[in-house]
Amino acid sequence: AQKVTQAQTEISVVEKEDVTLDCVYETRDTTYYLFWYKQPPSGELVFLIRRNSFDEQNEISGRYSWNFQKSTSSFNFTITASQVVDSAVYFCALSEARSSASKIIFGSGTRLSIRP
Amino acid sequence: DSGVTQTPKHLITATGQRVTLRCSPRSGDLSVYWYQQSLDQGLQFLIQYYNGEERAKGNILERFSAQQFPDLHSELNLSSLELGDSALYFCASSVEDGTEAFFGQGTRLTVV
Repeated sequence: AQKVTQAQTEISVVEKEDVTLDCVYETRDTTYYLFWYKQPPSGELVFLIRRNSFDEQNEISGRYSWNFQKSTSSFNFTITASQVVDSAVYFCALSEARSSASKIIFGSGTRLSIRP
Repeated sequence: DSGVTQTPKHLITATGQRVTLRCSPRSGDLSVYWYQQSLDQGLQFLIQYYNGEERAKGNILERFSAQQFPDLHSELNLSSLELGDSALYFCASSVEDGTEAFFGQGTRLTVV
């Protein structure tokens, strides 16, 4: 069965610090997708990134970077030089691409607070 | 704007009542998902439809049901409502099964 664990419930850092959000997943499928979503205080869920299981290249987008490691079943998210606007709940998610029912399962989320 | 439209945005109703939440997916998306997010909780998967057919079920209560219509919009029906059903209900859509889903703004249901 698929499972996503975000062990960090809450993180609080001072603005401009770097912060890494951890995500560990479990799946029996060899082909799967991993995602990160952001939920700011306004409540909407914003898609950030998708990673395919066969593509272990790390990704950088501005101050955001993602480290995917199949060997440790992890898909971590780093924010460099954090800003107050980064304050949100961040969710990691997983779907099993070859399953006949490819539901997207979310971790419990990490609440990130950036202090000015 | 994700392109996914959910109505209504807010709903207040009494215990024992029945409500219907509506979702219009992004143009071209065939897959629709429903999630429940209770206060300070994560996203609980309820049900998924793909091109009109039920594809996957999560921990959806028997009092809840959903369907996806030929025009691909979806409705989530919640009946015999209890206080504990108060939550934010999200609809999401994706072009293919299991690929990234785009979420609507949610319907905040308050049962009093």
